[in-house]
Amino acid sequence: NAGVTQTPKFRILKIGQSMTLQCTQDMNHNYMYWYRQDPGMGLKLIYYSVGAGITDKGEVPNGYNVSRSTTEDFPLRLELAAPSQTSVYFCASLRTSGNYEQFFGPGTRLTVL
Amino acid sequence: ILNVEQSPQSLHVQEGDSTNFTCSFPSSNFYALHWYRWETAKSPEALFVMTLNGDEKKKGRISATLNTKEGYSYLYIKGSQPEDSATYLCASSNQAGTALIFGKGTTLSVSS
Repeated sequence: NAGVTQTPKFRILKIGQSMTLQCTQDMNHNYMYWYRQDPGMGLKLIYYSVGAGITDKGEVPNGYNVSRSTTEDFPLRLELAAPSQTSVYFCASLRTSGNYEQFFGPGTRLTVL
Repeated sequence: ILNVEQSPQSLHVQEGDSTNFTCSFPSSNFYALHWYRWETAKSPEALFVMTLNGDEKKKGRISATLNTKEGYSYLYIKGSQPEDSATYLCASSNQAGTALIFGKGTTLSVSS
């Protein structure tokens, strides 16, 4: 299993540009999450999904959109990039059998200038 | 929204020292407490998931305890090694599969 994969690893955007951060998992997990990590702030939940076709807002959803058309994919969309969205973005999925372990992707470092 | 607090924010110890840090979380509607180890430039790696009051889990020199009634968990590292240097995150959830709320982490630095 590749686990949770994210693309791209790095990206620089200009203010107002849009982009999609890709996330894919091959573990057949229903639950998937997007977090952002800012210095000294830990991980903040942006959006999460409990299955294909179902998404819900987390703590900091403003400026982002998500979709979940398949179990495997959970893309995060930034429509009008702002400097405040400069961060490291982590996608994760949750195993709901056994010990409910959450698996993280390698992260996407985004800079908005 | 749950509020998860971790202390201390950072910690510096010498090789061979034993250490521990604290995670506090709201005890009402508690479902699970997760501990992660997060090395710089890597993604968080799961250490433990605990759900039952009084739970104790161990992985090598690292162990954790859980008190759901008073809302705290301790992470212990016995005989710290330089490779233990990392940020240790805890996260709590109040329902199976719903969002984990993370603390800000405790950053451990171990000098040889």
